Amino acid sequence: QVQLVQSGAEVKKPGASVTVSCKTSGYTFTSYYIHWVRQAPGQGLEWMGIINPSGGSTTYAQKLQGRVTMTRDTATSTVFMELSSLRSEDTAVYLCARDFVSGSPSGAFEVWGQGTLVTVSS
Amino acid sequence: EIVLTQSPTTLSLSPGERATLSCRASQSVSTYLAWYQQKPGQAPRLLISDASNRATGIPARFSASGSGTDFTLTITSLEPDDFAVYYCQQRGNWPPLTFGGGTKVQIK
Repeated sequence: QVQLVQSGAEVKKPGASVTVSCKTSGYTFTSYYIHWVRQAPGQGLEWMGIINPSGGSTTYAQKLQGRVTMTRDTATSTVFMELSSLRSEDTAVYLCARDFVSGSPSGAFEVWGQGTLVTVSS
Repeated sequence: EIVLTQSPTTLSLSPGERATLSCRASQSVSTYLAWYQQKPGQAPRLLISDASNRATGIPARFSASGSGTDFTLTITSLEPDDFAVYYCQQRGNWPPLTFGGGTKVQIK
């Protein structure tokens, strides 16, 4: 079955960077776009950006431009999200989600990873 | 950026009762609106896509309607498993994709 398995929790100091991975299985990796969404403790959902696993093209939320980088490794069917210059407000659960439609980004999220808690604290 | 406003923030109901959740968009998103259910410690789950289409495996007690700026999610008879937070999300005009603030359906 389709699965997205994310890397484990991270604790980082302000100013550091963090990389979260999302390993996919159960489908053709290059056929579906992957989104990243984050959720601060007790808060709602915030879309961070999207990557095309086929060509590697990305679109990021304007708020995070310059601090977020999404990449992929087709050999391992894994997508990565790096967030730099971390601040306390970046403390959140980070989730990867597969797009609903094959071949083009529909903007709906069909399958989700389990989430990765990133804590930013001095 | 399209802002989605969900109401009420909290809905206190008993099992077997009907739940009606609202989502209003700051501008038209046509029918490009989805609903998700999220339980504590879990990732969201897609319930409804394109305003009214139930996702695979979603029970028929979940239904949704709307277009343009006003949308509704209805749970006809609440089961114990339905008490959770529900989010609407638009893909009518993106980036960015945006979510509503959520409605918590809690046991009365």
